[in-house]
Amino acid sequence: DAGITQSPRHKVTETGTPVTLRCHQTENHRYMYWYRQDPGHGLRLIHYSYGVKDTDKGEVSDGYSVSRSKTEDFLLTLESATSSQTSVYFCAISESGGSAETQYFGPGTRLLVL
Amino acid sequence: AQKVTQAQTEISVVEKEDVTLDCVYETRDTTYYLFWYKQPPSGELVFLIRRNSFDEQNEISGRYSWNFQKSTSSFNFTITASQVVDSAVYFCALSESAGGTSYGKLTFGQGTILTVHP
Repeated sequence: DAGITQSPRHKVTETGTPVTLRCHQTENHRYMYWYRQDPGHGLRLIHYSYGVKDTDKGEVSDGYSVSRSKTEDFLLTLESATSSQTSVYFCAISESGGSAETQYFGPGTRLLVL
Repeated sequence: AQKVTQAQTEISVVEKEDVTLDCVYETRDTTYYLFWYKQPPSGELVFLIRRNSFDEQNEISGRYSWNFQKSTSSFNFTITASQVVDSAVYFCALSESAGGTSYGKLTFGQGTILTVHP
């Protein structure tokens, strides 16, 4: 199994508060991704990173920011959480980021915004 | 833009039945990759298979088989003699080459919930 952990695994927060989710990998893979999973939508890409300090937006990036100061860590921040950001968040990694690369996923973080 | 459609929201079968999960995709790219992932009730996403757009050979792995047809833009997944442990959400996903600039971004279908009853 790919060495990917996510923290916290579960979080309940209130509207308007900032939230940071962490993804940590031990595989030394260059590419990291954040997805959210919602019923009826499958998984949708929020942001991704192709190296330390190199990040870009995905399909549903509004309201989210990311940072990557080390190869092993990719942080997702909700600056001011809203109820529409209640979701399950998955981090994924791939070695070289090519379209042929398989992405391996972390265990997920379940976030509830009240 | 790329798109993946899994029209079957939920499927319910009885153990030992065969079941096929449909996946239809849209892309303008000539080089792309298709994936299937399984999400059991425990919640993690498990990689099952990857197939590139130039390889239309069907693939079989135990009770699992995949049928890729470019002519109909479909990549269907069949489970033979289903078992209760096959109960999960199954996702089909697409990654375009985009001339090498896609960064491996995946577009997922909505998922199909498969329930196998004893």
